[in-house]
Amino acid sequence: DTAVSQTPKYLVTQMGNDKSIKCEQNLGHDTMYWYKQDSKKFLKIMFSYNNKELIINETVPNRFSPKSPDKAHLNLHINSLELGDSAVYFCASSQQQTDTQYFGPGTRLTVL
Amino acid sequence: QQQVKQSPQSLIVQKGGISIINCAYENTAFDYFPWYQQFPGKGPALLIAIRPDVSEKKEGRFTISFNKSAKQFSLHIMDSQPGDSATYFCAARRDYKLSFGAGTTVTVRA
Repeated sequence: DTAVSQTPKYLVTQMGNDKSIKCEQNLGHDTMYWYKQDSKKFLKIMFSYNNKELIINETVPNRFSPKSPDKAHLNLHINSLELGDSAVYFCASSQQQTDTQYFGPGTRLTVL
Repeated sequence: QQQVKQSPQSLIVQKGGISIINCAYENTAFDYFPWYQQFPGKGPALLIAIRPDVSEKKEGRFTISFNKSAKQFSLHIMDSQPGDSATYFCAARRDYKLSFGAGTTVTVRA
């Protein structure tokens, strides 16, 4: 009974392609996040949704578009993939924006 | 630019020794300072956290020391065990947003 799950775990694709990463949480939380962890392990927030409303939108290329169909799901769609998009993407969730964030296992994206 | 500076980048400690990781910040609007532990191939997991009105917090072998005037905080891992080998991230929160340090890879030698 995984708390925060992501699919796929690995994603290898060519430059220019469009891909999506899915995230689901079964914790009943109302806030979800996307983070990017680069090759040096630096973690940076990209987006956050609270009750399906976008509340944090960092300086991220508009090729990245999050979509929250309901409170338990937050998907990340990436258009026109570039080499620099290669990273591990983590989804996280919390109950309210001030509580502990629980991270998923990550999706390793490799753009060739 | 990085809002939370973390050091060292890596450290090696013998089993039973003490690991110390330091973090510094500039923005006094930060209101919550968590530490996360990440094992290879896994997502970060909250280890321990502190608020700026507290100078120290201890949970088992893990202690956070917080110096508000110096804008520094540190994680001490006492009696380090091989299972503690992981990457540790400090973070600071402002406006519901976490800013992470660059991470410290801790290796505990048996």
